[in-house]
Amino acid sequence: QKEVEQNSGPLSVPEGAIASLNCTYSDRGSQSFFWYRQYSGKSPELIMFIYSNGDKEDGRFTAQLNKASQYVSLLIRDSQPSDSATYLCAVKVGAGGTSYGKLTFGQGTILTVHP
Amino acid sequence: DAGVIQSPRHEVTEMGQEVTLRCKPISGHDYLFWYRQTMMRGLELLIYFNNNVPIDDSGMPEDRFSAKMPNASFSTLKIQPSEPRDSAVYFCASSLLAPPLDTQYFGPGTRLTVL
Repeated sequence: QKEVEQNSGPLSVPEGAIASLNCTYSDRGSQSFFWYRQYSGKSPELIMFIYSNGDKEDGRFTAQLNKASQYVSLLIRDSQPSDSATYLCAVKVGAGGTSYGKLTFGQGTILTVHP
Repeated sequence: DAGVIQSPRHEVTEMGQEVTLRCKPISGHDYLFWYRQTMMRGLELLIYFNNNVPIDDSGMPEDRFSAKMPNASFSTLKIQPSEPRDSAVYFCASSLLAPPLDTQYFGPGTRLTVL
């Protein structure tokens, strides 16, 4: 089982729709969760982070965390063609874990927003 | 701030040659990370430093790979001898706060091709 799993997609949504990106993780000691966006040929760019159960909103983006289910998601409202990119979920374990401090990435989900 | 700086941006070399990748982290950041990204394996953490000291090098694939951080503003990743399977994009990232609550900022990457 991979430590961090994402559907590779591609996920295709029409402009203006809500895009929903999902991620599951295996280490129950994980404490920090990040969403990065990566355009083709570019470096990953942080767009959201979440540490507590529940929702966290930032503009058109909402991150959702459910530690009991080991599940984190990213919602993009009013999707735009400029949102087309690969979205990477990343997870970090807390202190005391064997991988303390290590950021583990999922394979990424390719999102395409079509006009 | 100029962000994380990496050089060279592109490197083409022949199998068996030594390759040195360079990174300048964001000023004041005390954590530095080296990643490798391929289509097959995604984004992998190779090694990271705190205050110039290597903390976790468990991701370094083999002895052909070595990394140093002689001071707070410079790090190198060396591959000797290089092999075609080392072809990938290598990213450097830096952060200010200690894991697990840090935010990592990525450099533009070095695209390495080993013929």
